[in-house]
Amino acid sequence: QITLKESGPTLVKPTQTLTLTCTFSGFSLSTSGVGVGWIRQPPGKALEWLALIYWDDDKRYSPSLMSRLTVTKDTSKNQVVLTMTDMDPVDTATYYCAHRTYYGSGSYSLFDYWGQGTLVTVSS
Amino acid sequence: DIQMTQSPSSLSASVGDRVTITCRASRSISTYLNWYQQKPGKAPNVVIYGAASLQSGVPSRFSGSGSERDFTLTISSLQPEDFATYYCQQSYFFPFTFGPGTKVDI
Repeated sequence: QITLKESGPTLVKPTQTLTLTCTFSGFSLSTSGVGVGWIRQPPGKALEWLALIYWDDDKRYSPSLMSRLTVTKDTSKNQVVLTMTDMDPVDTATYYCAHRTYYGSGSYSLFDYWGQGTLVTVSS
Repeated sequence: DIQMTQSPSSLSASVGDRVTITCRASRSISTYLNWYQQKPGKAPNVVIYGAASLQSGVPSRFSGSGSERDFTLTISSLQPEDFATYYCQQSYFFPFTFGPGTKVDI
């Protein structure tokens, strides 16, 4: 059974750095093809894809946020960490981590398991 | 980035109705299109991947179609538990962009 859970601060001040940890179970991030992604959702708004880290440590970032994002993994701890610098009130959102898998001959990539999400508020 | 649009942004329907949601990509994404269902206060759940493949455990009343730029999600007979917001997402090019969502309510 795959589970993921996000943890980190619920409140950060503008200009601070946000560090979120995704702790997962039921899979290994050293297994070929596996990845963990980060997605956020401002209150009442749409989902926004942020980053993805693969089993081989390949990392992909949203170009609009790339300068502020870092994603790392600790395979031994079954954790993935997302760091976002220079936080602003517009970054207030629920942040999700999700398990990435792929299906079919076309290698369709999808997020099939999600954490419950953690609401991060940016305010002074 | 590939831009994803959805229509309508919201719709009202009744139990038993057939519901169709459309999604358009700003450029061709072949069939690398996923649909997610999200209920209030909950994380999204994938219902369709690869444009037309039903995710395991998802009822067969959900179906997807389309390729290149234009895609549809159809719910053949809307059930009470289907009232939610639906998002399309392309997984062909990074960043894996989501559409703005379609809210299905009563």
